[in-house]
Amino acid sequence: SHELTQPPSVSVSPGQTARITCSGAAFPNQYAHWYQQKPGQAPVLVIYKDTARPSGIPGRFSGSSSGASVTLTISGVQAEDEADYYCQSADSSGTSVLFGGGTKLTVL
Amino acid sequence: QEQLVQSGTEVMQPGASVKVSCKASGFAFSGYEIHWVRQAPGQGLEWMGWINLHSGGTNYAQKFQGRVTMTRDTSIRTAYMEVTRLRSDDTAVYYCARGIPSGVFDVWGQGTMVTDSS
Repeated sequence: SHELTQPPSVSVSPGQTARITCSGAAFPNQYAHWYQQKPGQAPVLVIYKDTARPSGIPGRFSGSSSGASVTLTISGVQAEDEADYYCQSADSSGTSVLFGGGTKLTVL
Repeated sequence: QEQLVQSGTEVMQPGASVKVSCKASGFAFSGYEIHWVRQAPGQGLEWMGWINLHSGGTNYAQKFQGRVTMTRDTSIRTAYMEVTRLRSDDTAVYYCARGIPSGVFDVWGQGTMVTDSS
């Protein structure tokens, strides 16, 4: 079981906006980070500390936080964004790392 | 270029042990933590624990305590993760990842597949 809850799947058409939520008791006390994973590849950090974007990540990726949930938003979705997305945080004590169950983004 | 390069595929024997390596380059080795994350076939990411590359201190997920050992050799900039008493459900891709403040994993190894021999 996961202490961070994500929807199993999200589907959008190219050019639309995709929103992937992650909820859990860890929020808002702990930061959320988001990773993109394509088949056969290692995860890649796309958003960290709720809203920050690493260098090299396109501007269409953004993050937000509200109460006990966080959201990854992909604006103007492109076919190359089709992947699994995982949220990550820590437990309330900050000693253990938690991952959400992952969300498969399908670009129709 | 900051990178982590892991050892190759391992074929496991139930009851035996496996040790995976993770070699760092392009950054100050002792300034970080290395976390280990595994992914069973078709499943999500599962955090296993971390090692502080400076002190050697470790913190293991409760599920793996007593069966997993993380070590490092600073002279060759390499971290290791050993799993003992292997079971068939340990079949997975094992990743190392660099941990930076606030629990972010910003650099990942390419993954090491540990597969069952049967």
